[in-house]
Amino acid sequence: DAGITQSPRHKVTETGTPVTLRCHQTENHRYMYWYRQDPGHGLRLIHYSYGVKDTDKGEVSDGYSVSRSKTEDFLLTLESATSSQTSVYFCAISEWGQGAGANVLTFGAGSRLTVL
Amino acid sequence: SQQGEEDPQALSIQEGENATMNCSYKTSINNLQWYRQNSGRGLVHLILIRSNEREKHSGRLRVTLDTSKKSSSLLITASRAADTASYFCATDAGATDSWGKLQFGAGTQVVVTP
Repeated sequence: DAGITQSPRHKVTETGTPVTLRCHQTENHRYMYWYRQDPGHGLRLIHYSYGVKDTDKGEVSDGYSVSRSKTEDFLLTLESATSSQTSVYFCAISEWGQGAGANVLTFGAGSRLTVL
Repeated sequence: SQQGEEDPQALSIQEGENATMNCSYKTSINNLQWYRQNSGRGLVHLILIRSNEREKHSGRLRVTLDTSKKSSSLLITASRAADTASYFCATDAGATDSWGKLQFGAGTQVVVTP
């Protein structure tokens, strides 16, 4: 997963606590995404960003917020974690909007979050 | 809601056999992509087929697209144990309200036994 790193890779937390996942890229890509992966659901888009301070909601954004203050970092925050947010979270980047002919994603290795 | 739906959900084959999986989608698309995910890893892009293409090849991979039926298939020929993974289709609608967003299906889990 060269060029994109997620941290932490594993986290166990308790219901009601705040959690922040970090995605860091060294590719200078404009688009960054947060997906969650759950059995039977594939990947569902939480939020995405198309530039510094430019973000938009995906299909499962309730309970999540994001921030992008620098091109290289995209943070996903769970303000008050719930058990339904136990999942594997994937960050992805894309050259879309920078001359790429199609929106092809490069994924990070994932962050496994368990909310007890 | 998922745009792509893969079929079958799981597939078990022996080395050397071909593996075929299908993806159906609901709305018109700009392109359709296939990704592979090895256990515990992130997804990796395999191949992209545009809406004006009907077939595409990449090594042992063959992808077809039938826009009239809103379906695509991925064929892996002469499978190897290393092909054991989950395979996902993803659609890019290219529409204004879905600009920059891909929608993924639930995936097909492929197990290739030696």
